[in-house]
Amino acid sequence: GDSVTQMEGPVTLSEEAFLTINCTYTATGYPSLFWYVQYPGEGLQLLLKATKADDKGSNKGFEATYRKETTSFHLEKGSVQVSDSAVYFCALSENSGYSTLTFGKGTMLLVSP
Amino acid sequence: NAGVMQNPRHLVRRRGQEARLRCSPVKGHSHVYWYRQLPEEGLKFMVYLQKENIIDESGMPKERFSAEFPKEGPSILRIQQVVRGDSAAYFCASSPESDTEAFFGQGTRLTVV
Repeated sequence: GDSVTQMEGPVTLSEEAFLTINCTYTATGYPSLFWYVQYPGEGLQLLLKATKADDKGSNKGFEATYRKETTSFHLEKGSVQVSDSAVYFCALSENSGYSTLTFGKGTMLLVSP
Repeated sequence: NAGVMQNPRHLVRRRGQEARLRCSPVKGHSHVYWYRQLPEEGLKFMVYLQKENIIDESGMPKERFSAEFPKEGPSILRIQQVVRGDSAAYFCASSPESDTEAFFGQGTRLTVV
């Protein structure tokens, strides 16, 4: 079955540091890939997505590139802020829809001033 | 704020009791999804409903769990005769169509004592 593997957290960084959160996946077809973010006390929000190989999703300074050859979708940001502290979830969907997402376990990011 | 509303936010039940979790989707959304997050795990898809119909319940445990989304009122996830292993965070999401972004609620944290 489908699965998503993320690096374990917490990831602790100082403000303005470079961020990478690794994500790899296993899927039978050609899935769509997503990153969701959950801020403290809130629900999950879609951060970015990519629907086919070599697509790059980007939003709020975050970006991730769909790498079919390495089955990866790593999340990056050049300069993190304290307000980026949250839990980040990588996810996939086998069809073009969002209805049945397969999530990774989540990676907590803590950014200190 | 007319986002997805889940209640209660926290629910404590004794073993053998029933738990009812409510989800009010975004106004105008007719598609509802339930996910469960066990401790140290990612979110797992449970069930997908579209007004009065269950579309996909492949992630629902076969016994004790049921879900409904009536014509009027919120979607309900019902867990009968709860056991300690049911302790988890339960997230609801809604979307206007099946292939569009799903918006998540803040979740209900169920603790079985």
